[in-house]
Formats: sequence, C-alpha cells, structure tokens
Amino acid sequence: DQQVKQNSPSLSVQEGRISILNCDYTNSMFDYFLWYKKYPAEGPTFLISISSIKDKNEDGRFTVFLNKSAKHLSLHIVPSQPGDSAVYFCAASARTGTYKYIFGTGTRLKVLA
Amino acid sequence: EAGVAQSPRYKIIEKRQSVAFWCNPISGHATLYWYQQILGQGPKLLIQFQNNGVVDDSQLPKDRFSAERLKGVDSTLKIQPAKLEDSAVYLCASSSSGAFQETQYFGPGTRLLVL
Repeated sequence: DQQVKQNSPSLSVQEGRISILNCDYTNSMFDYFLWYKKYPAEGPTFLISISSIKDKNEDGRFTVFLNKSAKHLSLHIVPSQPGDSAVYFCAASARTGTYKYIFGTGTRLKVLA
Repeated sequence: EAGVAQSPRYKIIEKRQSVAFWCNPISGHATLYWYQQILGQGPKLLIQFQNNGVVDDSQLPKDRFSAERLKGVDSTLKIQPAKLEDSAVYLCASSSSGAFQETQYFGPGTRLLVL
C-alpha cells in the first residue's frame, strides 16, 4: 500500500526554466510534508517542508504547494540549475504515533545546460 | 558540525552470510533511524531508537534483522542470514529529539549486494 506516490520517475528540464515535481498521498492523517534531495552515493538531504495549515512555503528558488483537498503537493524550482540534477523524494508524516516519515519512490530530475 | 557517519560504504556478501552496519549519529541527537532503500523505491523505516530504547520496529524483519543502540549513541544493524532481496542501501538518520516536524539528517548509506 503506497501511501505516498510520485508518479513521474524522471523529468528533464532546460536550465533556467521551471521544474515541477509532483507528489500524491492517500492518508488523510498526514499533516506535515517534506522534500528531500539525493545525489548519487550520498544520503538524502532536507530541502523544504510544509505544514498542513499552510498551502505554500517558499525558500529561495524552491516553493512547495499543498492542496489538501486533492491530497497533492508539488515542488517548484525556479530557475532550474544544472546542480539541481538529483533524485527528489517527497515524504509525509502524521501527528500521531512516532511521527515517522513515509517516503515516495522519488523523481529523478535532470537539468540540461 | 559533523554529520551522520556510516560504515562500511559498500559490502558484497553471499546469501546466507551475516553482515553488520555501523552508524554514528550527529552529536547530541537522541533519535536514530535505520532505513532500507531498495533500488527504485523510497527509503523505508526499519527501526527507530529514542536514546537506547526502541520506539518503532514494526517493519523490521525480526527473523533475520537485529539492531542495537546500547549506550544511546552509535548503533549497529545486523542481518543474519542475508537473502538476495536484502540487496539495498541501508541509510542511518538522526534527529534531535524525535519531535513532530523535526528534520531528520541522513548519513551516506551502506550499499549492500547479496549474491
């Protein structure tokens, strides 16, 4: 039962353009969402997060949008840079139990110079 | 500040052999996590420690996997005996207290190949 889904395994974007990565979830108990970025042979690094009380959170070139009614979130990267090429994981957590993260399967972003 | 350390970085073993992975979390972090990431999938939590106690091991295959964090600092994850399907990257992460909305910091992982 995949509670967090990233339906696009890969995405290619031209440098300077916008990258949009999507994530869907099924569990209505999730109320905190994160994006992690992973380079080859490295561990995931935290990128940006959003609480369910917000519908948008911005940090420099990165913005996360949350649509609770659709159980959908997206990560926008503007402008995209070659150094953004990595695998991006969406994760979700609920305010109950141990607050554990449930990760999606990841989207590999390639930014073309 | 030093990050999460893991060793070894790579390990190749035959099926039915044993293997152990080591993790040293960020200094002062009370909560330690072990994840399994199979190729093409996202990280899956195997076990979560709060200091030296287990708070979640619901997805740990306890017939072959074991983990300990005896002094509440570093931790060891063991597989005995290994199966082909255990081939994966094993990631260790830590967070300050395990509180809600707290960021988890990941180590570089140990890539295991079981032949």
